[in-house]
Amino acid sequence: EADIYQTPRYLVIGTGKKITLECSQTMGHDKMYWYQQDPGMELHLIHYSYGVNSTEKGDLSSESTVSRIRTEHFPLTLESARPSHTSQYLCATAGVNTEAFFGQGTRLTVV
Amino acid sequence: AQKITQTQPGMFVQEKEAVTLDCTYDTSDQSYGLFWYKQPSSGEMIFLIYQGSYDEQNATEGRYSLNFQKARKSANLVISASQLGDSAMYFCAIASGGSYIPTFGRGTSLIVHP
Repeated sequence: EADIYQTPRYLVIGTGKKITLECSQTMGHDKMYWYQQDPGMELHLIHYSYGVNSTEKGDLSSESTVSRIRTEHFPLTLESARPSHTSQYLCATAGVNTEAFFGQGTRLTVV
Repeated sequence: AQKITQTQPGMFVQEKEAVTLDCTYDTSDQSYGLFWYKQPSSGEMIFLIYQGSYDEQNATEGRYSLNFQKARKSANLVISASQLGDSAMYFCAIASGGSYIPTFGRGTSLIVHP
């Protein structure tokens, strides 16, 4: 039974479209993360949050933006999708000094 | 700064045998956590096992154990009695310092042969 949810699971969208990837958790954790992962490659941190109204950019530069208006919700938005944004996006949450729990991921294809 | 190195891009093992996946790490913090995740072809990241830097015993979770050698900065994952369902990518990760944000290695692809 998942405690962190990502939607959609798969998304194919045209260049220039605005998209929002949803991530919600029911674990009550303050920390939430977004990672980007190309197939068979390592995970790169693109955004993180320590709590409501807290958002920071990660190690990998990304054109996406995030918001954290509620503890349980951490959506990621691309204002204008491009083929270079094609990747898997993984959302995660963690407690204080605990392991990170991941959602199922969103596989984004921009055509 | 923290870093994970996984030097085995791919590993093959016979069903029912044991396999060791290598992981070395680097961090300037004295307090840190080491994690292993499994990623099947479906893409989700499944947490397997955790080792704290101050833990004196090697962590074990069922068929998974972590061979923690602090002086060598290594945290190898041992899977005993491999099963066909163990075929997947395996990622080692470290979290340390005040932020405690996980940094992942490049992963190792494990294929279990019948």
